[in-house]
Amino acid sequence: EVQLLESGGGLVQPGGSLRLSCAASGFTFSSYAMTWVRQAPGKGLEWVSAICGSGGSTYYADSVKGRFTISRDNSKNTLYLQMNSLRAEDTAVYYCAKALGGSCYSSVDNWGQGTLVTVSS
Amino acid sequence: DIVMTQSPDSLAVSLGERATINCKSSQSVLYSSNNKNYLAWYQQKPGQPPKLLIYWASTRESGVPDRFSGSGSGTDFTLTISSLQAEDVAVYYCQQHYSIPFTFGPGTKVDIK
Repeated sequence: EVQLLESGGGLVQPGGSLRLSCAASGFTFSSYAMTWVRQAPGKGLEWVSAICGSGGSTYYADSVKGRFTISRDNSKNTLYLQMNSLRAEDTAVYYCAKALGGSCYSSVDNWGQGTLVTVSS
Repeated sequence: DIVMTQSPDSLAVSLGERATINCKSSQSVLYSSNNKNYLAWYQQKPGQPPKLLIYWASTRESGVPDRFSGSGSGTDFTLTISSLQAEDVAVYYCQQHYSIPFTFGPGTKVDIK
């Protein structure tokens, strides 16, 4: 059974940093692309970033480019999202999600429960 | 960026009746080299993460009831729930994964009439 467990969310001041982690199990982690999707309170889904199965290619939404960095440690079956220069509009539940395949150009078939990031002074 | 729109914003359907949700992309999401539409449908119930229902526009994910079906190609897509059940109350999102950024539609809320 695929399991994705996010951690690292919390309250941070504007301009601060957080690192989210997503521990994966139940599948061959290195073979699949992984994605971060966020959802602001009461709002819809927003794609944030993706990293391909090989780990060589990464992609970002314009809203986070230059501030967020996605990475993965295939030896630890863990996905990360380093978030710097946080803004109030980054407040959201952040979901880790597994792609259907190794390509980043895939839909996602498994989601974590999400971790809440609140950016406020 | 590809803009995804959905209609209606919300709908209420009687139990056992058909629910139809439309999704339109601002440009084609059909990849000619493999003839696949890079379009997925997700269901999100309150307090839960989204769940994949349909991928490649019309392929039902394993375990998804066959009352859910997806159709369409190019820029126009439809999710149909053939016989609405109480457990189908949720928000439904379409998403294109053809072009970065992989944009979602705004969602369609489905309720029981």
